[in-house]
Amino acid sequence: DAKTTQPPSMDCAEGRAANLPCNHSTISGNEYVYWYRQIHSQGPQYIIHGLKNNETNEMASLIITEDRKSSTLILPHATLRDTAVYYCIVRFYNAGNNRKLIWGLGTSLAVNP
Amino acid sequence: NAGVTQTPKFQVLKTGQSMTLQCAQDMNHNSMYWYRQDPGMGLRLIYYSASEGTTDKGEVPNGYNVSRLNKREFSLRLESAAPSQTSVYFCASSDSGLVDSGNTIYFGEGSWLTVV
Repeated sequence: DAKTTQPPSMDCAEGRAANLPCNHSTISGNEYVYWYRQIHSQGPQYIIHGLKNNETNEMASLIITEDRKSSTLILPHATLRDTAVYYCIVRFYNAGNNRKLIWGLGTSLAVNP
Repeated sequence: NAGVTQTPKFQVLKTGQSMTLQCAQDMNHNSMYWYRQDPGMGLRLIYYSASEGTTDKGEVPNGYNVSRLNKREFSLRLESAAPSQTSVYFCASSDSGLVDSGNTIYFGEGSWLTVV
């Protein structure tokens, strides 16, 4: 699975959009981009995933560049409860590849009042 | 809907003691995992089970054994605990097919283990 690069930390004001970048310049054509988050003292939680098209769900939006070498997770109206570590992972779709995932350290997002 | 449940949540062990971390999922998933998470490091896979009756080593299997008791349950055993095994342990599960489930990995709430 391709490696990702994320900034170690970011700040965001409550109510504003939080834009979390991820670089995955070595992604292959059939690797997906996944985002998870880990709120302090809890297990990681799935947020969203995509292949090449932009995706949106009730939690966030995922914007993937046309060359697929980078992506941005957008939390449209960040709240204090969104303070967490956010992990960007690229992987093949088959669940058998879950064992090969490289989680990294993610981005620690602090949402400030 | 419980999802992935792991017990105990907290445990203190003395060096050399043994213990088993229990994990159960109610989502009918085929694949289950045990991870450990240490400060300054990402999640690291200890063991993996693709289906009932099968287990495979992950990145850091030394000092651990696992048992896939049935489709629901996947336990992690420390036979002789060492201080280096002080960590937070997460059990997880996922679908194993190619259906459009996103092959999402669902995690338990974690087990905090301290070995003194």
